[in-house]
Amino acid sequence: DIVMTQTPISSPVTLGQPASISCRSSQSLVHSDGNTYLSWLQQRPGQPPRLLIDRVSDRFSGVPDRFSGSGAGTDFTLKISNVEAEDVGIYYCMQARDFPWTFGQGTTVEIK
Amino acid sequence: QVELVESGGGVVQPGRSLRLSCAASGFCFRCYGMHWLRQAPGKGLEWVAGISYDARNEHYADSVKGRFSVSRDNSRNTLFLQMNSLRPEDTAVYYCAKQRHGLDFWGQGTLVTVSS
Repeated sequence: DIVMTQTPISSPVTLGQPASISCRSSQSLVHSDGNTYLSWLQQRPGQPPRLLIDRVSDRFSGVPDRFSGSGAGTDFTLKISNVEAEDVGIYYCMQARDFPWTFGQGTTVEIK
Repeated sequence: QVELVESGGGVVQPGRSLRLSCAASGFCFRCYGMHWLRQAPGKGLEWVAGISYDARNEHYADSVKGRFSVSRDNSRNTLFLQMNSLRPEDTAVYYCAKQRHGLDFWGQGTLVTVSS
């Protein structure tokens, strides 16, 4: 199985300041079809997960442009350029390159 | 708009069975793979099972292989998860989700509690 490791586990951020979350996979996430199947999801308190970023850097419909994804191979990053109060929650990276699909352990973003 | 509504959760004794349903609307259900995921209380996300758009391919997490079965009825726009031989560690909120490249839409979830 592909192991996904996120850092940090917790990220206290000041409103209006940037935040960055890293995700590392135990194997390359580049599929034979040429795509890299790494997603980022947000889970606000009491809510189901919501897709933010697909295939490393494709922002999903309706996602604010302060969210951006980057990376390649086994190392990926989610950046929030100016954290807002509504960004509080847990962020997960997920690989869909191989079954079983696997998630990072989650990073909690909270306001200082 | 895309909507996924799970149902069928509840409290069940260890060793018993439960069948979850996910009613889909707002998109071409027969065109996309679909998945079940779960989240134990206070824990992270776990992928459980997936099925291709035409039901020809199924995949399972090792933790549920041989006990759970995913299926779909494209004429009724509905996804199912048959859960047999349930264990206390299967206690979780179960979500269905639509596949694009990753998982682009999720339902609100249904709680399954396995307890005597």
